[in-house]
Amino acid sequence: EVLLVESGGGVIRPGGSLRLSCAASGFTFENYGMSWVRQVPGKGLEWVSSINWNGDSIGYADSVKGRFTISRDNVKKSLYLQMNSLRVGDTAFYYCARGDEIDYWGQGTLVTVSS
Amino acid sequence: QPVLTQSSSASASLGSSVKLTCTLNSRHSTYIIAWHQQRPGRAPRYLMKLEYSGNYNRGSGVPDRFSGSSSGADRYLTISNLQSEDEADYYCETWGINTQVFGGGTKLTVL
Repeated sequence: EVLLVESGGGVIRPGGSLRLSCAASGFTFENYGMSWVRQVPGKGLEWVSSINWNGDSIGYADSVKGRFTISRDNVKKSLYLQMNSLRVGDTAFYYCARGDEIDYWGQGTLVTVSS
Repeated sequence: QPVLTQSSSASASLGSSVKLTCTLNSRHSTYIIAWHQQRPGRAPRYLMKLEYSGNYNRGSGVPDRFSGSSSGADRYLTISNLQSEDEADYYCETWGINTQVFGGGTKLTVL
């Protein structure tokens, strides 16, 4: 069974940093690109970032470019999202997802940026 | 960059069928898309991949009441024999080089 389990969310002040993690199991992690997608409560889905299987091809949404960094560790079967210079507008549920064509989703972790 | 357009809402009666539409912008009209379902308070769930040809592949465990079809730039999700648990938001998604795009979502109400 494919499982994606996010962690690292919480409450943080504007300007702060947070690192999200996603632990993958049930599939050969190194064979897949991975993505982060976020959702402001009550709003639609927004792609944040994606990374290919070995990390040498990465994309970011304009809204997070220069502030967020995606990375992966294929040995640990984990995906990460380092979030710096956080803004109130970054408040959202953050989902880890498998693939560019997403075929599995994690349960999400909530990031709240508030003073 | 692809653009996906969805109606904001739809409704249909229990036991009936409904067809949801996702429209690609003309420049990207042949792109493959994916459909995702998000029930209230839950994470999204992958439903299927849908090609320009109309061929589709349902995800693991997705009932065959869910089907896909295409016409030009339009991609459709048809849900037959509507159940109460089908009341949800439905999103289409497509992807390019180092980018992904979601439609705005359609909120389906089962009457």
